[in-house]
Amino acid sequence: DADVTQTPRNRITKTGKRIMLECSQTKGHDRMYWYRQDPGLGLRLIYYSFDVKDINKGEISDGYSVSRQAQAKFSLSLESAIPNQTALYFCATSLTGSHGYTFGSGTRLTVV
Amino acid sequence: AQRVTQPEKLLSVFKGAPVELKCNYSYSGSPELFWYVQYSRQRLQLLLRHISRESIKGFTADLNKGETSFHLKKPFAQEEDSAMYYCALSGSRDDKIIFGKGTRLHILP
Repeated sequence: DADVTQTPRNRITKTGKRIMLECSQTKGHDRMYWYRQDPGLGLRLIYYSFDVKDINKGEISDGYSVSRQAQAKFSLSLESAIPNQTALYFCATSLTGSHGYTFGSGTRLTVV
Repeated sequence: AQRVTQPEKLLSVFKGAPVELKCNYSYSGSPELFWYVQYSRQRLQLLLRHISRESIKGFTADLNKGETSFHLKKPFAQEEDSAMYYCALSGSRDDKIIFGKGTRLHILP
């Protein structure tokens, strides 16, 4: 039973299309995060949320938006996908920052 | 500014040899330091936190505040240690975690 579930696992989309990546968790954590992973660049923070009414930009939020529908759900949207958004996207949750994160399995997104 | 530096992109070590993955950080305060591991085609997993002073899978890491380092060590490498390793920092001010760019550890038979 996955604690943090991401859907879809893989997605290929065309330039200009809108796409949503979804994340749900059963950890009961208030804090949720979206990162993208690129070879040689590590993980970079896109958006994060400390509770349902709190949304914050990370270091690379341009071109992305998020929605925190409930404590357990945090979605990432690409309003108009472009090829350099091709990456592996991870959702994570935490109790607090000092407890570390629990990661989802990732969504591999390819924009053609 | 917060920063985590992992100077090695790739580290190749023979099975049975000691392993040291380097991590240096920059933070004006008292950070929490972590090591995460990502095995091939799997999610990132928390390997250890400096605050808990644990030893996981034979790995240890000591926080050296003078040198602002948090190097990951293992006395005898095993083939199953081959993976991507990320050093990470959480600041007390905003509680986000900042990751280094990662080091790929390759254990040679």
